[in-house]
Amino acid sequence: DVKVTQSSRYLVKRTGEKVFLECVQDMDHENMFWYRQDPGLGLRLIYFSYDVKMKEKGDIPEGYSVSREKKERFSLILESASTNQTSMYLCASSRLPHRQFFGPGTRLTVL
Amino acid sequence: AQTVTQSQPEMSVQEAETVTLSCTYDTSESDYYLFWYKQPPSRQMILVIRQEAYKQQNATENRFSVNFQKAAKSFSLKISDSQLGDAAMYFCAQQPMGNQFYFGTGTSLTVIP
Repeated sequence: DVKVTQSSRYLVKRTGEKVFLECVQDMDHENMFWYRQDPGLGLRLIYFSYDVKMKEKGDIPEGYSVSREKKERFSLILESASTNQTSMYLCASSRLPHRQFFGPGTRLTVL
Repeated sequence: AQTVTQSQPEMSVQEAETVTLSCTYDTSESDYYLFWYKQPPSRQMILVIRQEAYKQQNATENRFSVNFQKAAKSFSLKISDSQLGDAAMYFCAQQPMGNQFYFGTGTSLTVIP
């Protein structure tokens, strides 16, 4: 079974802090994705990556950056966390054009 | 632009009954994939069913089936013999022939014992 893991299930940070969310997959998938999930808005794509060191902006990249130094790991970075970034963050991986496999999510609260 | 619309924020069904969740989408692509994902409370999102747009036959996975109407851009999910474990948030998603997925806003399904 494909396994996608995220470094934390729950995270509480303060406004202005730099936040790292880590995602690791074990199926050698080329594609990895970061979404945020908010009630009534569904899943919105922040960034995705086709390959190591490659990244593409999604629909809401503002305030976020990403890093993919190794194929299995995709990091989401909040350079200076703000309260409007309080959300559930979901990581996913896939091999084209198949289904996405999701991690358990990180619920981030920014105070 | 790709959009996916789920017009039912909440639905409920009696255990053992059948329920249909609606989804419409908008795309200019001729080839694409459609998906239904299930997100149980506090658990990981998992794939329920997938449909390739070039296939006319509706996909089926056990108690889950879809009604795919390509001309109408409609992709509804039917759950037969509903079980308590079906209670979850259901997301409809579309993937054009590329990497990015587009998700709807979700339908929260309650199963009444």
